[in-house]
Amino acid sequence: GQNIDQPTEMTATEGAIVQINCTYQTSGFNGLFWYQQHAGEAPTFLSYNVLDGLEEKGRFSSFLSRSKGYSYLLLKELQMKDSASYLCAVTGSGGATNKLIFGTGTLLAVQP
Amino acid sequence: DVKVTQSSRYLVKRTGEKVFLECVQDMDHENMFWYRQDPGLGLRLIYFSYDVKMKEKGDIPEGYSVSREKKERFSLILESASTNQTSMYLCASSFGADTQYFGPGTRLTVL
Repeated sequence: GQNIDQPTEMTATEGAIVQINCTYQTSGFNGLFWYQQHAGEAPTFLSYNVLDGLEEKGRFSSFLSRSKGYSYLLLKELQMKDSASYLCAVTGSGGATNKLIFGTGTLLAVQP
Repeated sequence: DVKVTQSSRYLVKRTGEKVFLECVQDMDHENMFWYRQDPGLGLRLIYFSYDVKMKEKGDIPEGYSVSREKKERFSLILESASTNQTSMYLCASSFGADTQYFGPGTRLTVL
């Protein structure tokens, strides 16, 4: 089967650092995406990891360990506008390279 | 910038009505997707298309059909809408295995 797990909700303080974890068990794997989705809006692309290791992009970083079926999204210097859902998605499950399997998302609330 | 547009942001229909949701992308992407998003269930793939007139079932195709007559346009059809099809519907497009770009979504309510 295929399963992607993320925490349902997290709370953090403005200016702090937060790590959102994602674990996956899929029949095949090509890469892992992170998307951000503000309430009532479309998901927008944040990062894509294919190889093991850390990808840094400004305040956001994403890590992948293929052997452990694990990824995390790290958000630094949190701002109020970072309050959103963060979606983890895997591609390559079942050999399909152009399909994504999504987790249920992590709702992050940033407090003053 | 990639632009994916959907025909309506909000739609209210009655049980049994035929419903058409339209999606248009302007980046010549060959892949297009329809998802529905429900609280606690995340994004689930209904159908996708990898070329004109080609379609494949996703994880929850029952009660839906699709049409892709032109590369830039992908339509989702609810033949006879039911209340359990009340949801947020999201269209996306991509080039190959690259990033999927999403439209703004259509919030459909079936009464």
